[in-house]
Amino acid sequence: ILNVEQSPQSLHVQEGDSTNFTCSFPSSNFYALHWYRWETAKSPEALFVMTLNGDEKKKGRISATLNTKEGYSYLYIKGSQPEDSATYLCASRNFGNEKLTFGTGTRLTIIP
Amino acid sequence: DTEVTQTPKHLVMGMTNKKSLKCEQHMGHRAMYWYKQKAKKPPELMFVYSYEKLSINESVPSRFSPECPNSSLLNLHLHALQPEDSALYLCASSHLVTGELFFGEGSRLTVL
Repeated sequence: ILNVEQSPQSLHVQEGDSTNFTCSFPSSNFYALHWYRWETAKSPEALFVMTLNGDEKKKGRISATLNTKEGYSYLYIKGSQPEDSATYLCASRNFGNEKLTFGTGTRLTIIP
Repeated sequence: DTEVTQTPKHLVMGMTNKKSLKCEQHMGHRAMYWYKQKAKKPPELMFVYSYEKLSINESVPSRFSPECPNSSLLNLHLHALQPEDSALYLCASSHLVTGELFFGEGSRLTVL
């Protein structure tokens, strides 16, 4: 059974501050780690798909790192803005399996 | 704007009704998915279609019946549902190689 966990469950951050949160996943038979941003009343939107140990990806003020040996990924947001308020989901995929298993998400609220 | 379109956005049905949820994408993706999401829980995979063939059924009760008439369309037929089936039903598609999911906005189902 693949268990993906995210922490914290929720987070309030002052506008302009930087923040980060964690996704942990079983490292055996690992294939890919996905991050999605889900704004209220919208569809989840892919941020990153990461496969290689030590990989780091960046999109604007958001970046993510991946450690496949120990089974964790960090998502960083630099200089938080109100539009960053959303639930951030990670999901893990094993080799030879089309199934993505999601974590429960981190709900981020940016305080103006 | 999402490139995966789900209809209806909201559906209320009785336990004896028969209804369908519909999903459409025109990105040429050959994998399509149904996920179920209840409040404060991660999206749970229900079905995966790959090249219009059912490739994964996550032991979903037979009162949910998926159908993939062609590479752009995915339906979920609902019959004799229970109140506990009330949830947000998300459709997604992906290019098989990358696996990055493109989600619709979901259909919010209430079973009375």
